[in-house]
Amino acid sequence: AQSVSQHNHHVILSEAASLELGCNYSYGGTVNLFWYVQYPGQHLQLLLKYFSGDPLVKGIKGFEAEFIKSKFSFNLRKPSVQWSDTAEYFCAVIPWRNNRLAFGKGNQVVVIP
Amino acid sequence: KAGVTQTPRYLIKTRGQQVTLSCSPISGHRSVSWYQQTPGQGLQFLFEYFSETQRNKGNFPGRFSGRQFSNSRSEMNVSTLELGDSALYLCASSPTAGGRDTQYFGPGTRLTVL
Repeated sequence: AQSVSQHNHHVILSEAASLELGCNYSYGGTVNLFWYVQYPGQHLQLLLKYFSGDPLVKGIKGFEAEFIKSKFSFNLRKPSVQWSDTAEYFCAVIPWRNNRLAFGKGNQVVVIP
Repeated sequence: KAGVTQTPRYLIKTRGQQVTLSCSPISGHRSVSWYQQTPGQGLQFLFEYFSETQRNKGNFPGRFSGRQFSNSRSEMNVSTLELGDSALYLCASSPTAGGRDTQYFGPGTRLTVL
């Protein structure tokens, strides 16, 4: 089945460490790509998105993601995390051929002060 | 602008009952999508409405239905509830149809089926 994969569901880091979360998808054709974040007690909100153009996109709070079409990947990075980055991070993909937003299972990230 | 609102926030029902959930999109947004979130399956797309028409539907049984009103508010209905319908139901709105644009999520309705 076509899907969005996120590995390492639980990630524990110390402040100032670097973070990289992987996202792979199996849809062919054109896709729009998103990372959403859910901070404790808050709604899902957009972190960043890729529609076209420069495959390296920058989002809020110092996050960036790189789209590698040949690898069907859209990995999220942040060079130096803060305690306030503790949250659940979801990768999401909309394949243009069915326009249904598909989510990965999420990464629970805990940053220790 | 006010965000997406969903009512009620919590709901407890028993098997066989039906339930209606409500979603008010961000002002000016005409697209409303619904998602089911469970620990096992994660977030799954239910359907999208735009201009009172269902534009897209996910792989859920016919017990799950929805509608959209002329003011873009949307309701989702689940009939003949099953234990497996216990989940967080999220609504999201978007300014454009087709689901390709950024979606703005509400807080969700937590449904528990006993």
